[in-house]
Amino acid sequence: KAGVTQTPRYLIKTRGQQVTLSCSPISGHRSVSWYQQTPGQGLQFLFEYFSETQRNKGNFPGRFSGRQFSNSRSEMNVSTLELGDSALYLCASSLNGLAGGQAVDEQFFGPGTRLTVL
Amino acid sequence: AQSVSQHNHHVILSEAASLELGCNYSYGGTVNLFWYVQYPGQHLQLLLKYFSGDPLVKGIKGFEAEFIKSKFSFNLRKPSVQWSDTAEYFCAGKSGGSYIPTFGRGTSLIVHP
Repeated sequence: KAGVTQTPRYLIKTRGQQVTLSCSPISGHRSVSWYQQTPGQGLQFLFEYFSETQRNKGNFPGRFSGRQFSNSRSEMNVSTLELGDSALYLCASSLNGLAGGQAVDEQFFGPGTRLTVL
Repeated sequence: AQSVSQHNHHVILSEAASLELGCNYSYGGTVNLFWYVQYPGQHLQLLLKYFSGDPLVKGIKGFEAEFIKSKFSFNLRKPSVQWSDTAEYFCAGKSGGSYIPTFGRGTSLIVHP
């Protein structure tokens, strides 16, 4: 089975621009989550999509948005880029997603997209 | 607020040394806990996870972690590290009824040959 893929792997943008990142989950996985990884901050949860609906959302401003398509592929958009948005953006997929209770599927992570904002 | 703390940000060891990385969580009630590893240039991958049952959890590559409820801890251990264990290690946790896992800031482990 192919793993989680993310495109592009590297991006350089300038302040004020917008950017779209793409994630293709493992075949059959319906949940896609996005995380921002920065040195010293670890991974911070952005949002999770399941069956084309945003099911969970972290504490990020509205400039960060996403969507999921019927084939479970997901895109993440950041508008009006700021210097502080420079980070590694990780996508993770799982079968049923971040479900409550004891039955939590393992998340499989992609290689990430390294975004640099100048 | 619910949180996960990793107290060791940078650890440097020689091969064959024993490893213990600390992780503390602040959740009450049922918890789900994870350790992830990110090798240089590779994807984040799951080392082990705890949901319930035996508090000593065995993972891949000889790693294990012990859930100690009274100490709110889930420390990662390996009796003898190898150079190939050089990586970033992340502890993550969530309460049983929560959707969203919280990750610690990570511990950078360097193993000298």
